[in-house]
Amino acid sequence: EVQLVESGGGFVQPGGSLRLSCVGSGFTFRSYWMTWVRQAPGKGLEWVANIDRDGSERYYVDSLKGRVTISRDNAKNSVYLQMNGLRDVDTAVYYCARDAPDAYYAMDVWGQGTTVTVSS
Amino acid sequence: QSALTQPASVSGSPGQSITISCTGTSSDVGRYSYVSWYQQHPGKAPKLMISDVSDRPSGVSSRFSGSKSGNAASLTISGLQADDEADYYCSSYTSTTTLVFGGGTKVTV
Repeated sequence: EVQLVESGGGFVQPGGSLRLSCVGSGFTFRSYWMTWVRQAPGKGLEWVANIDRDGSERYYVDSLKGRVTISRDNAKNSVYLQMNGLRDVDTAVYYCARDAPDAYYAMDVWGQGTTVTVSS
Repeated sequence: QSALTQPASVSGSPGQSITISCTGTSSDVGRYSYVSWYQQHPGKAPKLMISDVSDRPSGVSSRFSGSKSGNAASLTISGLQADDEADYYCSSYTSTTTLVFGGGTKVTV
């Protein structure tokens, strides 16, 4: 079964840091671009970042540039999102997703999400 | 990058057809044929319904179809069913090599 499982979410104080992880299984992880998308409570989806197959290309939403870093370890079938200087507006469910192999910037497999809560 | 514009809500009766619009700009929807649509039920992860404007992934019902004209894209759901009640989001690749989502549309059956 093709699956993505996120972890690393939790409660963090403003200004703090978190590293989210996502492990893929059931497919050849190194062959796919990977993406992070977040969703604030009661709000819509927001694309955060993506990374190419070998980690040489990374793209970020303008509003988070400088505060987040996406990376991957294909030996561990994992993609990560390092988030620094967290603010209350970063409170959201963070989804890891696989980019569809035969489409452009479309995500065909999603994890269940991990919740990040930024609060003092 | 501003979010794409979608109506907040659309409703229809079982068996009817509805269309959800998604309006962008010449830097995203108007420039690229890389528009996708996602369905999200409450508390669940999004599900890809349409990619590259009008392509249906394997397993997605043929009742879902997509199109694009100029800076606007559309998702049509025909033969509306109770399980179609969900939030729907469009997305588009942009000229800055990023992805932008629409604000979401709540479909009520």
